[in-house]
Amino acid sequence: GENVEQHPSTLSVQEGDSAVIKCTYSDSASNYFPWYKQELGKGPQLIIDIRSNVGEKKDQRIAVTLNKTAKHFSLHITETQPEDSAVYFCAARSMDSNYQLIWGAGTKLIIKP
Amino acid sequence: ETGVTQTPRHLVMGMTNKKSLKCEQHLGHNAMYWYKQSAKKPLELMFVYSLEERVENNSVPSRFSPECPNSSHLFLHLHTLQPEDSALYLCASSQDRLAVTNTGELFFGEGSRLTVL
Repeated sequence: GENVEQHPSTLSVQEGDSAVIKCTYSDSASNYFPWYKQELGKGPQLIIDIRSNVGEKKDQRIAVTLNKTAKHFSLHITETQPEDSAVYFCAARSMDSNYQLIWGAGTKLIIKP
Repeated sequence: ETGVTQTPRHLVMGMTNKKSLKCEQHLGHNAMYWYKQSAKKPLELMFVYSLEERVENNSVPSRFSPECPNSSHLFLHLHTLQPEDSALYLCASSQDRLAVTNTGELFFGEGSRLTVL
């Protein structure tokens, strides 16, 4: 079945710098890749997603890139701010898993003032 | 109220207790989910309901028993749990289940933190 690996598990960056979180997946038929942000004491919330027919998508300071050949996708956050501190999860939707999302283990992003 | 609401937010129970977690969504969605979240591990899908019918049961032990009386409410009944069942239990909803829709956004509640002694 599908497997999603996420790195790093913890990322600490200076405020204003960029942050990049990477995920790899195993099922080449996966076609939908969302990113969720989970703030302390809250449930995860979708921040951006990408489908397999697109290579890149941007929304203000966040962007996601997808490399189908290499089977990896990345989240890019530019000009990081304190409110970006959270745990970020990637996921992939796989036919192998009856179209359910298979999740990465999460990345704790710490923005240092 | 709006969004997805879960109660209780915190629950401590002994291994012989019976308790229930409740989830309510005010979004008019057709699909609801229970997830288990343990520290530094991927979210684990437990159950999926679509239009009140269970469509997924991911090999969850029978000590967890879901109930979906209508499309707005979802329960997780707990009995004779083990300490390793301690985790954050998240409820989520989506417009339709992911096998049907291309959009796929999940709306999560804030979770119920369960501690089994």
